[in-house]
Amino acid sequence: QKEVEQNSGPLSVPEGAIASLNCTYSDRGSQSFFWYRQYSGKSPELIMSIYSNGDKEDGRFTAQLNKASQYVSLLIRDSQPSDSATYLCAGEGGYQKVTFGTGTKLQVIP
Amino acid sequence: NAGVMQNPRHLVRRRGQEARLRCSPMKGHSHVYWYRQLPEEGLKFMVYLQKENIIDESGMPKERFSAEFPKEGPSILRIQQVVRGDSAAYFCASSPQETSSGDGEQFFGPGTRLTVL
Repeated sequence: QKEVEQNSGPLSVPEGAIASLNCTYSDRGSQSFFWYRQYSGKSPELIMSIYSNGDKEDGRFTAQLNKASQYVSLLIRDSQPSDSATYLCAGEGGYQKVTFGTGTKLQVIP
Repeated sequence: NAGVMQNPRHLVRRRGQEARLRCSPMKGHSHVYWYRQLPEEGLKFMVYLQKENIIDESGMPKERFSAEFPKEGPSILRIQQVVRGDSAAYFCASSPQETSSGDGEQFFGPGTRLTVL
């Protein structure tokens, strides 16, 4: 069973702080990883993709991938109340089938 | 470029009725995925389709559920003889056949909220 594991949270951070979201995966064959943001009652929205070991930055978001440790993370700098949502980690393990984690709920406290 | 479209957005059915959920992928996308999400839970993969083919249906319940993606028209997720446990949000996602940005990026529709009375 290919799994993607996330801490369900909630993770609470003060406004302006760095939020760190973590994810581990079991399928060593996974090559591509994704972070989705889902607001309550809405559909998931793709915010970051990462395919290589190391860091990838996009605005306030940084995705980190460590294939040796089977670990993916998302850092959100200068967290805003509007970042409060559930963040879903996902891994692609071949044939374009993507496995999602159960999500981490982030609360940014004003 | 219109995004992934799903209809209806909300669907109410009585136990024993049939539910039909429709999904039109983004223009140029030939891969469609269906997911189910219960309140406060994660996305559960149901089925992956390409035009006229079911690629992976390992997440579909064996009975009452079926999916298709015909050559023309939207993808359909069909639930026969619905029960209260089928009440959930059903999301469709699509991805392109080839993408320069990598494999597996999926773009989600707004979902259909199914309520079974």
